[in-house]
Amino acid sequence: AQKITQTQPGMFVQEKEAVTLDCTYDTSDQSYGLFWYKQPSSGEMIFLIYQGSYDEQNATEGRYSLNFQKARKSANLVISASQLGDSAMYFCAMREAFSSGSARQLTFGSGTQLTVLP
Amino acid sequence: NAGVTQTPKFQVLKTGQSMTLQCAQDMNHEYMSWYRQDPGMGLRLIHYSVGAGITDQGEVPNGYNVSRSTTEDFPLRLLSAAPSQTSVYFCASTSPKLPRGYTFGSGTRLTVV
Repeated sequence: AQKITQTQPGMFVQEKEAVTLDCTYDTSDQSYGLFWYKQPSSGEMIFLIYQGSYDEQNATEGRYSLNFQKARKSANLVISASQLGDSAMYFCAMREAFSSGSARQLTFGSGTQLTVLP
Repeated sequence: NAGVTQTPKFQVLKTGQSMTLQCAQDMNHEYMSWYRQDPGMGLRLIHYSVGAGITDQGEVPNGYNVSRSTTEDFPLRLLSAAPSQTSVYFCASTSPKLPRGYTFGSGTRLTVV
């Protein structure tokens, strides 16, 4: 079973509008972390936002917010007031604290390609 | 500048050739890892290390070898390149003291012909 699922291969949004990118995860750990990364066409991985499993409030970083619904195991990224520079691939990732094997490494979803239209 | 440095940025290999992708970090991070990125599949973990002298396999380790003789360096070796290893490779580092602090290198685009 996939640990991170991103069901939207591609999304379009009008400039200045908000957009939500979906992410669901699967883990039996109680302690874990959820990340969103942006990958522009230049290829680098840019950290956007982090949510810890014990954080009571949803994380926010500027125009980015994470809609964390623990019972539903979802961690959707909300980008407000989209800009043309937001056009990129977006990855959801998870770090599990006590998983066997790849301790503390990131598991990534397949990504969502976001295109912001002028 | 502090960070993760990967070399080379681009490489073309012939099938059967061997090569080493270099990764160095100057942040004294204990954990280092290698990922490969293929279209439509996100990043997948190849090998990782939790400290000098300690390495372990990730999700897709076949055809790759790693070693960690120092905290700073974590090279990835392709023993006999195959076209299936055509991919973009990322090195990353972090510390258990920094639960959100993963730093990625800029990537190596490898083509095996």
